[in-house]
Amino acid sequence: GNSVTQMEGPVTLSEEAFLTINCTYTATGYPSLFWYVQYPGEGLQLLLKATKADDKGSNKGFEATYRKETTSFHLEKGSVQVSDSAVYFCALSITGYSTLTFGKGTMLLVSP
Amino acid sequence: KAGVTQTPRYLIKTRGQQVTLSCSPISGHRSVSWYQQTPGQGLQFLFEYFSETQRNKGNFPGRFSGRQFSNSRSEMNVSTLELGDSALYLCASSLRGLSQETQYFGPGTRLLVL
Repeated sequence: GNSVTQMEGPVTLSEEAFLTINCTYTATGYPSLFWYVQYPGEGLQLLLKATKADDKGSNKGFEATYRKETTSFHLEKGSVQVSDSAVYFCALSITGYSTLTFGKGTMLLVSP
Repeated sequence: KAGVTQTPRYLIKTRGQQVTLSCSPISGHRSVSWYQQTPGQGLQFLFEYFSETQRNKGNFPGRFSGRQFSNSRSEMNVSTLELGDSALYLCASSLRGLSQETQYFGPGTRLLVL
């Protein structure tokens, strides 16, 4: 079946530190890959996505590259801010279905 | 453009009761999906509707049901509530429900079952 594995948190960083959140997946076919972010008390917002191998998604300083060889979609940001504190979810959908399969989520805490 | 709206935002019910949650998608979006979020199980897919038809269903008991109206608004119903049904229920909409499309999520309905 389809599954997403992401690193457990919380990840605790100081402001301006470099961020990496690892995400690997197992899927039948060729999935589309997504990173969603959830701020306290809110729903999920799309952060970035990539729909085919070697695509790089980017938004608000965050980046992730679709690596088919390593079945990975790691999230990176060069310099985090306190406002980036949230829970980050890696997700996939397979061709023909909009259903999202999510990882467990990684909480990021950024201190000033 | 208005985002996805869900009502009510909070709900308290007792075991054995039933509940109906509502979701209004972004204007023009015809696909609506529902997800359950709990601390233990994370985010799990419930079902997806497109043009009033259920296209896909997750692994949940028959107590969970849904429907979609001609204006794309959707409702989900949970009958005979159990304590374990306490969760945040999220609705998401997209244009056509294609795998590469972005799904836009509502703020969720937080259900507490006592």
